[in-house]
Amino acid sequence: LAKTTQPISMDSYEGQEVNITCSHNNIATNDYITWYQQFPSQGPRFIIQGYKTKVTNEVASLFIPADRKSSTLSLPRVSLSDTAVYYCLMGSSYKLIFGSGTRLLVRP
Amino acid sequence: NAGVTQTPKFQVLKTGQSMTLQCAQDMNHEYMSWYRQDPGMGLRLIHYSVGAGITDQGEVPNGYNVSRSTTEDFPLRLLSAAPSQTSVYFCASSGTGVHSTEAFFGQGTRLTVV
Repeated sequence: LAKTTQPISMDSYEGQEVNITCSHNNIATNDYITWYQQFPSQGPRFIIQGYKTKVTNEVASLFIPADRKSSTLSLPRVSLSDTAVYYCLMGSSYKLIFGSGTRLLVRP
Repeated sequence: NAGVTQTPKFQVLKTGQSMTLQCAQDMNHEYMSWYRQDPGMGLRLIHYSVGAGITDQGEVPNGYNVSRSTTEDFPLRLLSAAPSQTSVYFCASSGTGVHSTEAFFGQGTRLTVV
């Protein structure tokens, strides 16, 4: 299973929209793109998944272009509690392949 | 529902000792997995199971054994602990929903091997 590529870290301020982009050039036809969030000393938590175009839930939006070689997680109006590591990954729910993730720091 | 429960939360072992990390889920999920996470790194898959009696290796299986005799439990055994196995261990479970990539993780077991 291929790993994804994400920025190592990002900084933002409260109330801003944050967009985290992920590259997955070797995505397979049947792969879904999934994002997880992890706070220190906790297990990862599922945020959103998508196959193509746009998916939105109460927490985030996920944008996937037609070629599916990248995706963008959008967090609207972040707060301090959104400070965490965000992982973009592919794979089955029981066989997730994690990269190093993106450390998002939200400042007051 | 408790979700995914891991015990113990913390453990210190001496090199060469063996132990079992427990994982139990009460969501009637078919799939369960074990991961380890080293400082500053992402999680790495150790072993996984797609149902009772069925297990398979992940990315880093050496030094670990698993079994799945019931749907609820998926213990991870360290055969002979080594300092390189110092890590945080996470257990996860997930259902068989079509195309679902949502897994539920436990709170982790922090293991130190001295």
